[in-house]
Amino acid sequence: QVQLQESGPGLVKPSETLSLTCTVSGDSLSLYYWGWIRQPPGKELEWIGYIYYTGSTYYNPSLKSRVTISVDTSKNQFSLKLISVTAADTAVYYCARGKLRYTTSGSRSHYFDPWGQGTLVTVSS
Amino acid sequence: QSVLTQPPSASGTPGQRVTISCSGSSSNIGSSAVNWYQQFPGTAPKLLIFTNDQRPSGVPDRFSGSKSGTSASLAISGLQSDDEADYYCASWDDSLNGFYVFGTGTKVTVL
Repeated sequence: QVQLQESGPGLVKPSETLSLTCTVSGDSLSLYYWGWIRQPPGKELEWIGYIYYTGSTYYNPSLKSRVTISVDTSKNQFSLKLISVTAADTAVYYCARGKLRYTTSGSRSHYFDPWGQGTLVTVSS
Repeated sequence: QSVLTQPPSASGTPGQRVTISCSGSSSNIGSSAVNWYQQFPGTAPKLLIFTNDQRPSGVPDRFSGSKSGTSASLAISGLQSDDEADYYCASWDDSLNGFYVFGTGTKVTVL
């Protein structure tokens, strides 16, 4: 059974870089997308981006200039870096395994399953 | 700010049927499949419905999804107290080189 676990600092100072790692157990990184999603306290979910095991990346246009997602297949990990953070980046950050399927009509279906338990990152001085 | 709109809340008594709507546009729901996630307070979201109407293993058949045009719906039949949670729709949006978008979320309350 695949499990994901986020790790990284819980407190980051404004203007600095937020760095998180997701360790995957019970599955290989191959053939899947691996994503990051965040949720500010009391608010809705926001997709940050994801990476295919080959290294291809896809980012939320609103965060693209500040985000980098990378993968280390040798460690079965993938990572998130978000630069120049502000208080608005305070959120629970989740990592998740992404799948891409196609319907019989040819439409794309992207979805995330399973998810890590999430880690709260607070941006404050 | 999400481009998929859901009602902020929905409620019902035990045993009732509750339906949650998700309204989008031609660049997201109109051209890609819809997925639904269930989230209990303080926990990670869990995939509930994928590819419009498919249930992952272990999800009761009380939960069903549908899609028509640029809108989608999640129905919960035989509502139970354990169903009290937040529900989010999600889809891929083809604009701006493509991105994944979640709905605004609906809090389901069992009265």
